[in-house]
Amino acid sequence: GAVVSQHPSWVICKSGTSVKIECRSLDFQATTMFWYRQFPKQSLMLMATSNEGSKATYEQGVEKDKFLINHASLTLSTLTVTSAHPEDSSFYICSARGPPGTGGIDYGYTFGSGTRLTVV
Amino acid sequence: GQQVMQIPQYQHVQEGEDFTTYCNSSTTLSNIQWYKQRPGGHPVFLIQLVKSGEVKKQKRLTFQFGEAKKNSSLHITATQTTDVGTYFCAGLDNAGNNRKLIWGLGTSLAVNP
Repeated sequence: GAVVSQHPSWVICKSGTSVKIECRSLDFQATTMFWYRQFPKQSLMLMATSNEGSKATYEQGVEKDKFLINHASLTLSTLTVTSAHPEDSSFYICSARGPPGTGGIDYGYTFGSGTRLTVV
Repeated sequence: GQQVMQIPQYQHVQEGEDFTTYCNSSTTLSNIQWYKQRPGGHPVFLIQLVKSGEVKKQKRLTFQFGEAKKNSSLHITATQTTDVGTYFCAGLDNAGNNRKLIWGLGTSLAVNP
């Protein structure tokens, strides 16, 4: 089945620094990737949708200059949290959907294992 | 905007008891998907329902999609401790080209052995 590799699994950084999170689709081409953040015991909150080769679409209230998304290839999308602050501490998860017909819809959306970010 | 409500938020059951979680959308859905997230883990796709009135089974799990394609349910028969986790429904939003999922808040299931 489809696999999405996300790393790092966890990261601790100092306030003011930037952190890059990578998501790779290992055995399929992900034309679209979704970036979520999740607070403890809460649902997933969609941050942005990225399409390969184009600018990401950010959800209302998400600062695009703070959460930089790059989807430069069909297998890699990155989320960079710039100038991180303690309130950015959260669980960040990516999800990928393949192009129609390859099972991207039939098999649902495949999630990465998530990145737990702690900003101190 | 489009919303998916999910109840209950929490459910504690004794091992062997049944469990059901319900989802209701404010609008008609293209399809609905169900995911399970274990504590500390990431969501894992369980199933997708597309047709009006569709019923699908996976061993002890039964998934239903309402006739109006606005509600869905997941029923687990004779729960086991391995069923512990949070179950999310997610409706597919057809607006635009991104087809993003609209997530329910999840139902957290605890099973007492």
